[in-house]
Amino acid sequence: QQQVKQSPQSLIVQKGGISIINCAYENTAFDYFPWYQQFPGKGPALLIAIRPDVSEKKEGRFTISFNKSAKQFSLHIMDSQPGDSATYFCAASMGGAQKLVFGQGTRLTINP
Amino acid sequence: NAGVTQTPKFRVLKTGQSMTLLCAQDMNHEYMYWYRQDPGMGLRLIHYSVGEGTTAKGEVPDGYNVSRLKKQNFLLGLESAAPSQTSVYFCASSTPKGGWAGEQFFGPGTRLTVL
Repeated sequence: QQQVKQSPQSLIVQKGGISIINCAYENTAFDYFPWYQQFPGKGPALLIAIRPDVSEKKEGRFTISFNKSAKQFSLHIMDSQPGDSATYFCAASMGGAQKLVFGQGTRLTINP
Repeated sequence: NAGVTQTPKFRVLKTGQSMTLLCAQDMNHEYMYWYRQDPGMGLRLIHYSVGEGTTAKGEVPDGYNVSRLKKQNFLLGLESAAPSQTSVYFCASSTPKGGWAGEQFFGPGTRLTVL
């Protein structure tokens, strides 16, 4: 059972455009929603994260939008750059051990 | 400061063979995790540990065992490898901050193929 569903599977955006990746979750007990960025041959690295008590968090060109009532959250990458080309994973967790449940991943390609 | 390291980077096993994957972290983190990554499925938690000498099952624990004898090391064992265990394995670690487990730092991964 996939508790976090991510879309799209792949995304191609022109340089300077906005990249948007969406995730939906089922378990209302989740209390932490991170996004991870993974380059080929590397481990995932935390990009940005949000708690459900806020609706938006922005760090540089990266923004998380969070809709608690719809059980959805999304990643927006403004002014997308070729260096942003990577696979992005949303995740959710709850509880003390913060066991992460990941979405399926989105392969993002930014065309120059 | 090497962060999270994993040994080996690549391995090919035959069905039925056993092996141990080693994860080491030098950040004095309390929590450690093992995930597997398969195409189209994201990462799935196999086992985790919230401290030296403790382990617990994650989402997909069958066929794997773990041990945390030292705080800095987390071992993942496959007693009798099966082709379904062909995957990329990632170790991660974190330390509690303000009542939650903190950011998870991932290692570079081990690519395992079981023939």
